[in-house]
Amino acid sequence: GAVVSQHPSRVICKSGTSVKIECRSLDFQATTMFWYRQFPKQSLMLMATSNEGSKATYEQGVEKDKFLINHASLTLSTLTVTSAHPEDSSFYICSARQGDSTDTQYFGPGTRLTVL
Amino acid sequence: QKEVEQDPGPLSVPEGAIVSLNCTYSNSAFQYFMWYRQYSRKGPELLMYTYSSGNKEDGRFTAQVDKSSKYISLFIRDSQPSDSATYLCAHAGNMLTFGGGTRLMVKP
Repeated sequence: GAVVSQHPSRVICKSGTSVKIECRSLDFQATTMFWYRQFPKQSLMLMATSNEGSKATYEQGVEKDKFLINHASLTLSTLTVTSAHPEDSSFYICSARQGDSTDTQYFGPGTRLTVL
Repeated sequence: QKEVEQDPGPLSVPEGAIVSLNCTYSNSAFQYFMWYRQYSRKGPELLMYTYSSGNKEDGRFTAQVDKSSKYISLFIRDSQPSDSATYLCAHAGNMLTFGGGTRLMVKP
């Protein structure tokens, strides 16, 4: 099956700093990548959808200036949490899809962010 | 009403039991459904992908869609402790619409 990687798997940072998370599709070209957030014992919450070379589409309530998404190539998307605060501590998961909406989304292993 | 709903569980069964996990959905236009398995602190892993009504079988797993009642099911035969995880159903449209997930615990 298709493989999606995320880096780092875990990050601890101080309040006010910025953190970048990378998402890569290793063996396929992802025209669309998605970023999710998941709190403990809750389901995944979609934050934004990004298509290669285009601006990301953010879900309602997600601050685009705080969560910067770049999808510069067909195999790489990055999420930057700017000026992180403790309430941003969460599990961030990306997924990638090769084709249209009928294609499968493959998920990365997730990144656990802890903001002190 | 949420578009896709799941009982959060937890569901606890003995090893070897048949497990039935269920979801309901609200939009009768939905056609593509997926089941994902998520282990603790890991990303979701695709288990099954179904289209429209009917059954689909893969090893110990069977996915079923009943469009008339807007009901999606995942059956696990001969359940193993390694099946202990959270199971997420999802409708696949332009984006995935997830149910809340059901926690399954299979006890040896």
